[in-house]
Amino acid sequence: RKEVEQDPGPFNVPEGATVAFNCTYSNSASQSFFWYRQDCRKEPKLLMSVYSSGNEDGRFTAQLNRASQYISLLIRDSKLSDSATYLCVVSPQWTGTALIFGKGTTLSVSS
Amino acid sequence: NAGVTQTPKFQVLKTGQSMTLQCAQDMNHNSMYWYRQDPGMGLRLIYYSASEGTTDKGEVPNGYNVSRLNKREFSLRLESAAPSQTSVYFCASLAGRAGETQYFGPGTRLLVL
Repeated sequence: RKEVEQDPGPFNVPEGATVAFNCTYSNSASQSFFWYRQDCRKEPKLLMSVYSSGNEDGRFTAQLNRASQYISLLIRDSKLSDSATYLCVVSPQWTGTALIFGKGTTLSVSS
Repeated sequence: NAGVTQTPKFQVLKTGQSMTLQCAQDMNHNSMYWYRQDPGMGLRLIYYSASEGTTDKGEVPNGYNVSRLNKREFSLRLESAAPSQTSVYFCASLAGRAGETQYFGPGTRLLVL
């Protein structure tokens, strides 16, 4: 089983749609969780951290289910500018080692 | 602050040539990382340095060497480039505290002919 698994997509949605991405991770001792966004030919950038209580940042909502080892990202009212690849990222228990990245889910929002 | 910088942005090499990719961060971070990203493969860790003076292998270290020159700089060297090393290389850094996230440089696009 891969350490972090995501549906690669692509997800093709119209503007204004709500879209959800899911991610599972294999290491139950993982401590920190993130969603990154990567635009074509650019570096990955942090979109938001994911907390056990769930967290929201504008149109974006992230959820963590530790029991199921499952992370989700919900995007409401999709914009053209949301078109990108979304990477699910997990941090091992200890610090100083690298984050573990999923392969990403591609989103394409059309007008 | 520039964050994480990488040079060069683009490079074309012939098989067997050597080169060094440079990375520097000005955020006083303890940990630094080198990844490669290939289509359909996601980000794969090549080497990392948890702190100044230490380096460790990641998932795909073969064909690469690294040097943590000081706290700011972490270089990646290809001693004898191969076409399989054609990729986009990203450097990243991390403060080293629990829950902290990584910051990436803009990447180096390398083509080995």
